[in-house]
Amino acid sequence: EVQLVQSGAEVKKPGESLRISCTGSGYTFTNYWINWVRQMPGKGLEWMGRIDPSDSDGNYSPSFQGHVTISADKSISTAYLQWSSLKASDTAMYFCARRTKFDSFYPMDVWGQGTTVTVSS
Amino acid sequence: DIQMTQSPSSLSASVGDRVTITCRASQGISNFLAWYQQKPGKVPKLLIYAASTLQSGVPSRFSGSGSGTDFTLTISSLQPEDVATYYCQKCNSASWTFGQGTKVEIK
Repeated sequence: EVQLVQSGAEVKKPGESLRISCTGSGYTFTNYWINWVRQMPGKGLEWMGRIDPSDSDGNYSPSFQGHVTISADKSISTAYLQWSSLKASDTAMYFCARRTKFDSFYPMDVWGQGTTVTVSS
Repeated sequence: DIQMTQSPSSLSASVGDRVTITCRASQGISNFLAWYQQKPGKVPKLLIYAASTLQSGVPSRFSGSGSGTDFTLTISSLQPEDVATYYCQKCNSASWTFGQGTKVEIK
């Protein structure tokens, strides 16, 4: 079964660092980009950026560039989203989703279950 | 950066009604457009890609059309299980931006 499994919910204080993960199974991890999508409470989906696990080449939405870092370790089929200094406004649900590198029209078809991040003093 | 604008933001319709949601791109994106459905508390689900191709397993009452800057998602006969928020997403070039979403409710 193809699936993306994300790490568990996190509760952090402002200024703390955090890394959440997304592990793929059931498919060739390096054939798909891994995307990260934010959903703030009661709000819509926001595409944050993506990474190619085969070479760790990444692209970021201008809205998130410089605020988060996306990385990957292809040896363990895992992608990461990390913050160096969290803010209360980072409180949200974060989804990972895969997209094939070999069909320009085919979008994100498999999603992780989401990771809730709560930042509060 | 290309912006994606959906309308309406929300709608209420009766079971069996035909429902249409519009997505407009600020610049032409050919047919690099996808539609997703997100039910409350659930993970988004891919409905349509390449503007008009139905994802496997999606009911045929869903359809998509459009090219360039203007796109539509149509539900031919609204069902209670279609209550959800629907999002369009551009799938070309560097940034894969979502529309702001359209919430569909039953009247």
